[in-house]
Amino acid sequence: QVQLQQSGPGLVKASQTLSLTCAISGDSVSSNSGAWNWIRQSPSRGLEWLGRTYYRSKWYNDYAVSVKSRITVNPDTSKNQLSLQLNSVTPEDTAVYYCAGGLWRDGMGVWGQGTTVTVSS
Amino acid sequence: QSVLTQPPSVSAAPGQKVTISCSGSSSNIGNKEVSWYQQVPGTAPKLLVYDNDKRPSGIPGRFSGSKSGTSATLGITGLQTGDEADYYCGTWDTSLSAGVFGTGTKVTVL
Repeated sequence: QVQLQQSGPGLVKASQTLSLTCAISGDSVSSNSGAWNWIRQSPSRGLEWLGRTYYRSKWYNDYAVSVKSRITVNPDTSKNQLSLQLNSVTPEDTAVYYCAGGLWRDGMGVWGQGTTVTVSS
Repeated sequence: QSVLTQPPSVSAAPGQKVTISCSGSSSNIGNKEVSWYQQVPGTAPKLLVYDNDKRPSGIPGRFSGSKSGTSATLGITGLQTGDEADYYCGTWDTSLSAGVFGTGTKVTVL
């Protein structure tokens, strides 16, 4: 079955870049029928979809308006994983970050374990 | 802040039924498929329903989804103590070109 394993630092200083990776097993980041998402959760913002990457003969990305100027989601086909970079973080970016696989139409059926990221001022 | 509105909490006795509403608009629920997620505190969300009313394999028939216009509903029958969790709806918003989640509903089994 498909499994997602997240990795990355749990503490980031304000104004720096938050970087996380999500290793995929049991499926391909280049799948022509799926999508790979980043989602975060905090008490103040609830569940918040951040962005996704997917492959349909070429790579596509979609990003939430709230983070569009600061976010990059990239696939790494050599390692079969995806990454999240969020620039210029503030304490408001403190949250549990999840990667998840699936299209909204089909539901996100597989999730990573979550990474708690704290932004220190 | 979320474009999808859910009641903060619902509750019922064991064996009873609860329904959770998810209210949106024509740019999201009105023309896109809705999915529902269950989240036990401290764990990742789990997909319960996709494409408005379909259940992934392994999800019991006690969980059901429906959609009408710009609203969707999750129903849970035969309520069990293990159903105590937070529940979220989600869909794509064509105006935002982004995914959106509901505000979340806490289910309490009395």
